[in-house]
Amino acid sequence: AQSVTQLDSQVPVFEEAPVELRCNYSSSVSVYLFWYVQYPNQGLQLLLKYLSGSTLVESINGFEAEFNKSQTSFHLRKPSVHISDTAEYFCAVRLEGRRALTFGSGTRLQVQP
Amino acid sequence: DTAVSQTPKYLVTQMGNDKSIKCEQNLGHDTMYWYKQDSKKFLKIMFSYNNKELIINETVPNRFSPKSPDKAHLNLHINSLELGDSAVYFCASSPPGAMAPLHFGNGTRLTVT
Repeated sequence: AQSVTQLDSQVPVFEEAPVELRCNYSSSVSVYLFWYVQYPNQGLQLLLKYLSGSTLVESINGFEAEFNKSQTSFHLRKPSVHISDTAEYFCAVRLEGRRALTFGSGTRLQVQP
Repeated sequence: DTAVSQTPKYLVTQMGNDKSIKCEQNLGHDTMYWYKQDSKKFLKIMFSYNNKELIINETVPNRFSPKSPDKAHLNLHINSLELGDSAVYFCASSPPGAMAPLHFGNGTRLTVT
């Protein structure tokens, strides 16, 4: 069975500070890893994904995530956050051969001025 | 615009009623999903259809019945609504392949009183 753990339910941070949102997964087979962002009253939008190759993946708005197989982690980072980054962030995994994504419980990123 | 669209956006109804939520995608994807997001933001897969065929049916009460008239539509019908059905229901779609991300609609907030 696969599961996804997001260790922090809320992360308050000041504007322009760095942030890391943690995600760990448990699976004995190959997985594909995703981060989604959900702004208030909206659906989920893909932020970035790890499929294979380079373990560091980046999004167009400055976020990056690093796949660490030995630690089964896929933490999301941004060196300097903006107020507009305030949202719910979900880590998700998909087993090879499966269609559905399994989501973590989400981390609320609250950026304060 | 190309998108996954759900209707209605909000649905308020009384216990015992029957209601439907509609979903349409014009992205040309083969696979569609229904996810339920509870009050704690936890997302759980309910159903998935591929080319009108049911491929995922998680532990969901029989009162929930998905219907896919064609691969661009996946509707969700709920009989005898209960208080615990109150949640946000998200439709999503994806192209073939385990590496393909999901594209989500903006959700339907169902409130059962």
